[in-house]
Amino acid sequence: EAQVTQNPRYLITVTGKKLTVTCSQNMNHEYMSWYRQDPGLGLRQIYYSMNVEVTDKGDVPEGYKVSRKEKRNFPLILESPSPNQTSLYFCASSPRTGLSNQPQHFGDGTRLSIL
Amino acid sequence: KQEVTQIPAALSVPEGENLVLNCSFTDSAIYNLQWFRQDPGKGLTSLLLIQSSQREQTSGRLNASLDKSSGRSTLYIAASQPGDSATYLCAVPTQTGANNLFFGTGTRLTVIP
Repeated sequence: EAQVTQNPRYLITVTGKKLTVTCSQNMNHEYMSWYRQDPGLGLRQIYYSMNVEVTDKGDVPEGYKVSRKEKRNFPLILESPSPNQTSLYFCASSPRTGLSNQPQHFGDGTRLSIL
Repeated sequence: KQEVTQIPAALSVPEGENLVLNCSFTDSAIYNLQWFRQDPGKGLTSLLLIQSSQREQTSGRLNASLDKSSGRSTLYIAASQPGDSATYLCAVPTQTGANNLFFGTGTRLTVIP
């Protein structure tokens, strides 16, 4: 089954404790992306990757890092989490960049609470 | 910068009614527009994608239209069912690449049995 898998689904942690949210897709997609969703603000893009070893900032990249060492994985790293990063996070993937007719596939989300 | 607006933020209708959800965007230079459905505790599911050259797309009881010149899209749901209850989001690509998306804040739909 084609899917985007995020782990963990839920995490409560404390300020300053480094954490990683993993994202894996089994569709051989080149493009992957991270969004955060906050009430009243909708989904905002954090980082995206056009292909292996190619990453770029989205609209709200501050406080986050990503890496794309393999095509299927795109982890989101919070080196020193702060309470304002409490949010619902989504990973997404889609086929080759530059095509305008390919819908994106989303994971089920990761709810992070930073105390 | 592109802005995407969805009105109303919430909508309740009795089962069986036809309904229309609205999406407006400020920059008409878009590659496509997507409508997504989000269920509580779940990710987003793509419902329909309309390319910039198209005016509408249909899938089952869903019909999405696109009017680029006026910066508007509508999602029409026919004969609504309780299972249609969810949040509906529209999204358009940014100018930096067809894959990066700007999302509206969504319309939360409740269909009352």
